[in-house]
Parts: sequence; structure tokens; C-alpha cells
Amino acid sequence: QSALTQPASVSGSPGQSITISCTGTSSDVGGYNYVSWYQQHPGKAPKLMIYDVSNRPSGVSTRFSGSKSGNTASLTISGLQAEDEADYYCSSYTSSNTPYVFGTGTKVTVL
Amino acid sequence: QVQLVESGGGVVQPGRSLRLSCATSGFTFSSYGMHWVRQAPGKGLEWVAVIWYDGSNKFYADSVKGRFTISRDNSKNTLYLQMNSLRAEDTAVYYCARRLHTIDYWGQGTLVTVSS
Repeated sequence: QSALTQPASVSGSPGQSITISCTGTSSDVGGYNYVSWYQQHPGKAPKLMIYDVSNRPSGVSTRFSGSKSGNTASLTISGLQAEDEADYYCSSYTSSNTPYVFGTGTKVTVL
Repeated sequence: QVQLVESGGGVVQPGRSLRLSCATSGFTFSSYGMHWVRQAPGKGLEWVAVIWYDGSNKFYADSVKGRFTISRDNSKNTLYLQMNSLRAEDTAVYYCARRLHTIDYWGQGTLVTVSS
């Protein structure tokens, strides 16, 4: 099972919106609505930001939103803030015998 | 509140074994599938293994299949990862994580360094 494909880096100025893509196949992203997004600050454990494509856990800012079209999922961060600077990973359940896969990760920089 | 606390990491020589533990609290452990996920220094997240809530099913990444074994003791609310025939490329922070289709909680991780 290959990792889902994400851009290595995305940047934006405070207040702007950015979108991170996560491309898989019909066996993972395209086949299930079990796409999640995680934020990871240096030296910290990942934190769930979006689950089941577009749902936000309690306590996560409404500035974070998720969507999916075909085999590509997306995470949008609106009103970018300095605290959003972190690594972001997507994940998906898969139909393979290795039933879980992560994306390659995207470093978000706030200019 | 949900807590996952890993232990058992350390420095180990190539070819040797190590067992990681993940003590849990704050939720009904026996109702949840559990994962191990690792992150090599400066690298991304890599899914390692998953076990069903009752231990009935286990799946592994190709990179660890045949060398690592995931298990659980629902009476002790604890998850395990037995790692045999360790290689330098197994060096990573190992996280335990909760829930089958969507990981919702993570432990703080335990560092495993494989080096002679």
C-alpha cells in the first residue's frame, strides 16, 4: 500500500486561506468516507483535526474544513494564524490487507 | 479523559527484540480497535499494525510483517507490540492510537533506537 500523496509544503500569510490536497486511489480515499486529517507540531503527537472527510471533533476551530472529490481529499485552513504552522497528514482506511494508510505529509508555513 | 501512555522504548542492537506497552485509561478499552504508528526521525507517519477490539483480527504493514506482533490484554487495558529481529530502519517514535477506521487519540510516543 503506497502512501497517499500530499504536497511537501504550503505557505500563506496570516488571514489567508490555504488548501492541502491528499490524493489516493479508489481503494482508499475514493472508496471510503474514512478520510482524516492530523496536525502535528514539532516534538508533539498528532492531533485529529478532521474525520470522516468533513467532520470536526469538538474543540477544533471552525477555520478547519475538509472535503473530497473522487480520489482526492482536501483540507482547507481559513483565516490562517501563526499557531497553524505545523505538519499536516491525511489518512484513509483502505481495502487492502494493510487497512490504514497515511499521507506523505505537508509542512504549512505562515509567512 | 482518554489517556494512552506508551513505555518500553530504548536503545537496542540490530537483531534483538523489544516489547512496547501502551497503558490506557478513560475509556472502555475492550470496545476499541487499536493501532501502532511510528515516525522515523524527521520523517512522516507510518502505520505499523492494528488489532480489532477483541483481538480477533490483526493486520501489519509489509515492512514489519513476520517480525512484529500486536496484541492486547483487555483485562489490563493494555496494548502491546512485540518487535523481533529489529533493524536500523525500525528506529522511530512509536505511538499507540485508538479507534479502527479513524484514529482519534494518540499517546505521547516512545522512542526506539536500533543501533550497535
